[in-house]
Amino acid sequence: AQSVTQLGSHVSVSEGALVLLRCNYSSSVPPYLFWYVQYPNQGLQLLLKYTTGATLVKGINGFEAEFKKSETSFHLTKPSAHMSDAAEYFCAVTDKAAGNKLTFGGGTRVLVKP
Amino acid sequence: DGGITQSPKYLFRKEGQNVTLSCEQNLNHDAMYWYRQDPGQGLRLIYYSQIVNDFQKGDIAEGYSVSREKKESFPLTVTSAQKNPTAFYLCASKTWGGNQPQHFGDGTRLSIL
Repeated sequence: AQSVTQLGSHVSVSEGALVLLRCNYSSSVPPYLFWYVQYPNQGLQLLLKYTTGATLVKGINGFEAEFKKSETSFHLTKPSAHMSDAAEYFCAVTDKAAGNKLTFGGGTRVLVKP
Repeated sequence: DGGITQSPKYLFRKEGQNVTLSCEQNLNHDAMYWYRQDPGQGLRLIYYSQIVNDFQKGDIAEGYSVSREKKESFPLTVTSAQKNPTAFYLCASKTWGGNQPQHFGDGTRLSIL
């Protein structure tokens, strides 16, 4: 069975500082990995995805993530936080065996301090 | 613009009452999903459908029912058997292929009166 662990349910960063959100997954076959962002009382918006190919993936709003197979990780980063980055972030995994089902992590809420 | 529409945005239910949440998509996606989100928790899968007239239970299907009579529509009924229905409900859809992302609606918040 697949699983996703997001380390830290809450992260606080200063505006302009590095944002680092951690995601570790388990999957018995090569995974497809996704990061989503959720603003209050809204649905989830796709930030980026890894399927195959280049392990460093760039997404919207200046975010990027690196797939590290040896570490079973897919951490999300942004070099300089902006106030508008305050939101909840979810890592999710699927693979060919799971078909079209996603498994989500518990989420990390980001607070940006001025 | 293509997208997923969930209605209503807020819904209130009395004890012992069934309520139906609407989800419509015009993205021509084959698969549709219903998730439940509780404060401080991730998303839990209720039901999903990969093709018209077929659907499967997710991890927390008890107390819920769905139908998929049209490709564009996947309504969720929260029955009186669901003892703790207060939550934020999200509908999603995707095109075929495991490497394709799910697209989400803006959710329905259900509360008990």
